[in-house]
Amino acid sequence: GDSVTQMEGPVTLSEEAFLTINCTYTATGYPSLFWYVQYPGEGLQLLLKATKADDKGSNKGFEATYRKETTSFHLEKGSVQVSDSAVYFCALKGGYQKVTFGTGTKLQVIP
Amino acid sequence: DTAVSQTPKYLVTQMGNDKSIKCEQNLGHDTMYWYKQDSKKFLKIMFSYNNKELIINETVPNRFSPKSPDKAHLNLHINSLELGDSAVYFCASRNLLDSYNSPLHFGNGTRLTVT
Repeated sequence: GDSVTQMEGPVTLSEEAFLTINCTYTATGYPSLFWYVQYPGEGLQLLLKATKADDKGSNKGFEATYRKETTSFHLEKGSVQVSDSAVYFCALKGGYQKVTFGTGTKLQVIP
Repeated sequence: DTAVSQTPKYLVTQMGNDKSIKCEQNLGHDTMYWYKQDSKKFLKIMFSYNNKELIINETVPNRFSPKSPDKAHLNLHINSLELGDSAVYFCASRNLLDSYNSPLHFGNGTRLTVT
């Protein structure tokens, strides 16, 4: 079945550092890929998405590129802020209406 | 406000009890979901309804029974609660008619604690 693997957290960075959170997937066919963010005490919110190979999703300074050859969708940001502290989930939509999530990576940004 | 809203936000109950969690969305979406998030933040899909019809039914105990009276509501009833049911339960919705790749919109979760 479909699966998503994310790097283990927590990730602790200083403000303005470069962020990479790795995500790889296994799926049949051509899934769509997503990054969601969860702030404390809240539900998940869509951060960005990409629907086909080589697409780049971007939002709020975050970017991720759909790499079919490496089955990856790594999340990057050039300069993180304290307000980016949250849990980040990589997800894919493959088969009929089912969205599969990775285990989440907690990011803590310190001033 | 347009949103996915769940009630209650917190639910503390004893083993063996029966409880319900309610979810409503006013986004006009046609598909709703229940996810369970454990203490390690792992999200597992439980059920999904499209226009009141069950379309995803993952391997969950049959003590869990979803009900969708209309496409804006999806409730979750849990019988004979067990300690392992303690988790945060998230309702989500999306509009399949908008796009095959339309994103999920989540509620803020219901934290269930079984003692």
